[in-house]
Amino acid sequence: GENVEQHPSTLSVQEGDSAVIKCTYSDSASNYFPWYKQELGKRPQLIIDIRSNVGEKKDQRIAVTLNKTAKHFSLHITETQPEDSAVYFCAASTAGNQFYFGTGTSLTVIP
Amino acid sequence: DAGITQSPRHKVTETGTPVTLRCHQTENHRYMYWYRQDPGHGLRLIHYSYGVKDTDKGEVSDGYSVSRSKTEDFLLTLESATSSQTSVYFCAISEYGLYEQYFGPGTRLTVT
Repeated sequence: GENVEQHPSTLSVQEGDSAVIKCTYSDSASNYFPWYKQELGKRPQLIIDIRSNVGEKKDQRIAVTLNKTAKHFSLHITETQPEDSAVYFCAASTAGNQFYFGTGTSLTVIP
Repeated sequence: DAGITQSPRHKVTETGTPVTLRCHQTENHRYMYWYRQDPGHGLRLIHYSYGVKDTDKGEVSDGYSVSRSKTEDFLLTLESATSSQTSVYFCAISEYGLYEQYFGPGTRLTVT
C-alpha cells in the first residue's frame, strides 16, 4: 500500500515568519493530496488540497505544491499567526478510495 | 462543519466486551470511513463504505467489523475489545470517494 512520510514532526516559528511542511509518498498512482489542520481535542479540518494534474494551489496565506516526479508535496504557510498553531497532517489518496496519512507536524507560532 | 455526528463521544469499557460506535451523517454522501488516531501514527483507516451494504477493509481492520444498512449510518464494532484498541476514533464522509473528506467530532475509547 501507499506510504506517506511527513517532516518535520515539530516546527516552531516566530509570528510573521513562514512555515513549510513536507511530505513524500510512494505510490505513483496517488492522485489527490489534502492537508488537514487539527487543533487540540478537535477534529481534523481540511484546509487545502491539490490534485495530481495541478502543480500549485494557493488560498490566501496557505499554498500547496506538488512534484509528481519526485513524489513529494509541501504545505507553505506565510505570515504565520498564533492561531496557526496546531497539528497538520498530509494525506495521499489512491485509486482504491483509501487515504493514507502522514504522522503529523506540530506547529507552534511564537508571538 | 459537515453534518456528521458520532456517538458515544466518550466510552470506557473492559477488555473482552463488545463495543459499537455509531457515525451518522445528514449530507447524503456515498462514502463513509472509520479511522483511528494514535500518537505517532497519525490517522489510520480501519474500514470504509462506498454504499449501503458495500464495505471494504483498510490498513488496520483486524479486530473490527462494520455495517451500513442506511446511507446515513455507519457502525463500527469491536467484537471483543482489547487494550490495544484504546484510541480516538474518527468517522469521515466523502461525496465522491477520491476527494474531499470531512471528519466527525471523534469518539475517545478507553479499554481497561
